Amino acid sequence: DQQVKQNSPSLSVQEGRISILNCDYTNSMFDYFLWYKKYPAEGPTFLISISSIKDKNEDGRFTVFLNKSAKHLSLHIVPSQPGDSAVYFCAASALASGTYKYIFGTGTRLKVLA
Amino acid sequence: GAGVSQTPSNKVTEKGKYVELRCDPISGHTALYWYRQSLGQGPEFLIYFQGTGAADDSGLPNDRFFAVRPEGSVSTLKIQRTERGDSAVYLCASGASSGEQYFGPGTRLTVT
Repeated sequence: DQQVKQNSPSLSVQEGRISILNCDYTNSMFDYFLWYKKYPAEGPTFLISISSIKDKNEDGRFTVFLNKSAKHLSLHIVPSQPGDSAVYFCAASALASGTYKYIFGTGTRLKVLA
Repeated sequence: GAGVSQTPSNKVTEKGKYVELRCDPISGHTALYWYRQSLGQGPEFLIYFQGTGAADDSGLPNDRFFAVRPEGSVSTLKIQRTERGDSAVYLCASGASSGEQYFGPGTRLTVT
């Protein structure tokens, strides 16, 4: 049973446009969420986080939105740049239960076209 | 640099052999995690240390896998009697109290 799902395996976006990456989860205990970017042959790079007490967090070109009732979060990248081309993972944890164990989605490969 | 480092970057071993994978976390981070990533999948949680103790080892697939962190800093993941199905990228991450985790570059393990 996959508790964190990224249903789009790939996404192509034109440079300068908005990229929207989606993530759904099933466990209502999840209260902290992370987004990572991964280039080939490298470890995942932390991008942005959001706690369940918020519905939005912004850091430069990256904004994460959380809809708790729908158990859905999304990462917006504006404007998209060719260097953003990578695999993006969302991850979730139930920090309030005292665990820092994260469950990752299967990733979405973003390609930004110049 | 001050990031998470992992050694070796690549390890090829024969089925049945024993391997050790090392992780040097970011200085001052008390939390350390091991994950395994197979092709086309996200990182899969193996074990989490808070200080020297394993706070959650529920992700270790079986008793061939073991990890230690004796002084609360460097950690070693140990795999006994390796099997071809153990082939994957093994990722280590360290974190502070915020819950964020910072990953190392990984060790690619190939069991032949």
